Amino acid sequence: GAVVSQHPSRVICKSGTSVKIECRSLDFQATTMFWYRQFPKQSLMLMATSNEGSKATYEQGVEKDKFLINHASLTLSTLTVTSAHPEDSSFYICSASASGGPSTDTQYFGPGTRLTVL
Amino acid sequence: AQSVTQPDIHITVSEGASLELRCNYSYGATPYLFWYVQSPGQGLQLLLKYFSGDTLVQGIKGFEAEFKRSQSSFNLRKPSVHWSDAAEYFCAVGAGNTGFQKLVFGTGTRLLVSP
Repeated sequence: GAVVSQHPSRVICKSGTSVKIECRSLDFQATTMFWYRQFPKQSLMLMATSNEGSKATYEQGVEKDKFLINHASLTLSTLTVTSAHPEDSSFYICSASASGGPSTDTQYFGPGTRLTVL
Repeated sequence: AQSVTQPDIHITVSEGASLELRCNYSYGATPYLFWYVQSPGQGLQLLLKYFSGDTLVQGIKGFEAEFKRSQSSFNLRKPSVHWSDAAEYFCAVGAGNTGFQKLVFGTGTRLLVSP
């Protein structure tokens, strides 16, 4: 149980274009989803927290107009990188926590999306 | 604010030998502590977690960790390492109900397993 998927797993785009990444909880309802960014050989840095039906809460230094987060349902959150630039190239990982039941206190992570901006 | 220190960037262990990965945390209250493992190009898999109770926590894949409040540590151990254990290991700390609050991660320890 508690499986989280991400799509796509890899994406290459041209500078200036926008890219959407999906995060889905497959077998549970996720009240809260988190988006992280991981640079090569570094740790995960939280970008934003999203609760279903509300606006995302962004961490300090993260541009909310550049990284658009939508959490429209209890099983889907999307991250859109707008007007992507090469410095946005990174590994983006989402996590989700289950509403109700014994797993509300643990985040379950997706497999990540490798974004390369040319 | 919470913080996590993993002092070892790389560790090499012979297959079959024992393993201990260090993790120290800073947090004013009782922490929620986690160990995650990440294989190359993959997301994170939860190995084990500590919220309260028994300070020795058993996890998946034969891993265990011990919470020591006096040392602010939560070291990960495994008695006999397998080649498939080679990966990046992250310790994380959260406040309160971490299903709804952010985790703070350490910088990770890369485990290499030699034949």
